[in-house]
Amino acid sequence: AQSVTQPDIHITVSEGASLELRCNYSYGATPYLFWYVQSPGQGLQLLLKYFSGDTLVQGIKGFEAEFKRSQSSFNLRKPSVHWSDAAEYFCAVGIITGGGNKLTFGTGTQLKVEL
Amino acid sequence: DAGVTQSPTHLIKTRGQQVTLRCSPKSGHDTVSWYQQALGQGPQFIFQYYEEEERQRGNFPDRFSGHQFPNYSSELNVNALLLGDSALYLCASSPRGFGGGELFFGEGSRLTVL
Repeated sequence: AQSVTQPDIHITVSEGASLELRCNYSYGATPYLFWYVQSPGQGLQLLLKYFSGDTLVQGIKGFEAEFKRSQSSFNLRKPSVHWSDAAEYFCAVGIITGGGNKLTFGTGTQLKVEL
Repeated sequence: DAGVTQSPTHLIKTRGQQVTLRCSPKSGHDTVSWYQQALGQGPQFIFQYYEEEERQRGNFPDRFSGHQFPNYSSELNVNALLLGDSALYLCASSPRGFGGGELFFGEGSRLTVL
């Protein structure tokens, strides 16, 4: 069965500093990988996705992520964090079967931004 | 273009009661999925509906059931509520064939069971 691990429950960074959120997955085939962001009381918004091809993917709000098959990782990065980036971030692996599609999420990383 | 809409946004029930949550998918989407997000956890897949049939189901008891209507909207029903059912229930829609894999989420229905 597939699984996703986000080892950092909480991360605090200063505004303007760089950010890296870690994500490791377990899945027997080529994964579909996603990063979602959730602000308090809100639903999930897709930041970026990886299906195939270039292992460095660009997303919205200046985020990027790199797929490393050898490390089973899909870490999220941003060169300079803004105070509005404070939120919870979820990594997910997508499974597509004949019956449909579903996502398996990690437990999330809460990002706090210090001004 | 309206996104995924869910109702109600908040509700409070007592143990043993039943609840119905509703979801309208994003325009052009015909597949609806439901996820449960307990406090401090990531969302967990409950089930997925396409062509008015349940296509996939996660590890949830039969107390959780659903329905999809001809207009693609969906309902999630939970019977015999337990305290542990307190959570944010998220609806997500996608075009059939995974449409590139992206799920679009609503803002959720927060259920509190007392």
